[in-house]
Amino acid sequence: EAQVTQNPRYLITVTGKKLTVTCSQNMNHEYMSWYRQDPGLGLRQIYYSMNVEVTDKGDVPEGYKVSRKEKRNFPLILESPSPNQTSLYFCASSSLGRGEFRGYTFGSGTRLTVV
Amino acid sequence: AQSVTQLGSHVSVSEGALVLLRCNYSSSVPPYLFWYVQYPNQGLQLLLKYTTGATLVKGINGFEAEFKKSETSFHLTKPSAHMSDAAEYFCAVSYSGGSNYKLTFGKGTLLTVNP
Repeated sequence: EAQVTQNPRYLITVTGKKLTVTCSQNMNHEYMSWYRQDPGLGLRQIYYSMNVEVTDKGDVPEGYKVSRKEKRNFPLILESPSPNQTSLYFCASSSLGRGEFRGYTFGSGTRLTVV
Repeated sequence: AQSVTQLGSHVSVSEGALVLLRCNYSSSVPPYLFWYVQYPNQGLQLLLKYTTGATLVKGINGFEAEFKKSETSFHLTKPSAHMSDAAEYFCAVSYSGGSNYKLTFGKGTLLTVNP
């Protein structure tokens, strides 16, 4: 089944403790991206990657890191989480289909609470 | 900068009634337009998309949307609401230029279906 898999689904952590949220897709998509969803603010892009070893900042990159060493994986790293990073996080991927953008396939989300 | 406005953060309809969810976008270039649905505790699922071609787009679960360039609108409709349609709906826009196929989302419309 074609899908984007995120882990974990739920995570409660303490301020300052490094964590990684994993994201993997099995569709051979070039493009991957991370979003966070917050009440009243909607979905905002954190980072994106056009292909292996090509990453760039989205709208709200502060406090986050990413890497794209393999095409299928795009982990989100919080080096020193803070309470304002409590949010619902989504990983998404897309084929760029010979230049035509087809929209994202989303993962099921990771609900992160930083205390 | 591109933006998306969804009129009405909450829409309530009776089962069997018409569903109309409004979306207006601002984009200086031809857009790609999408509607996504989010059920509680789940990721976002693509309902339908407009990229090029026919302006009336049919999606899954009986939904459709019409791209009206003169009105910069992409409203979502369904002739007869079902209880299972209760969810949050997001309109999103991207454009074919640039190196980031970022989706900019509206704030969402929560659809309630009353028996």
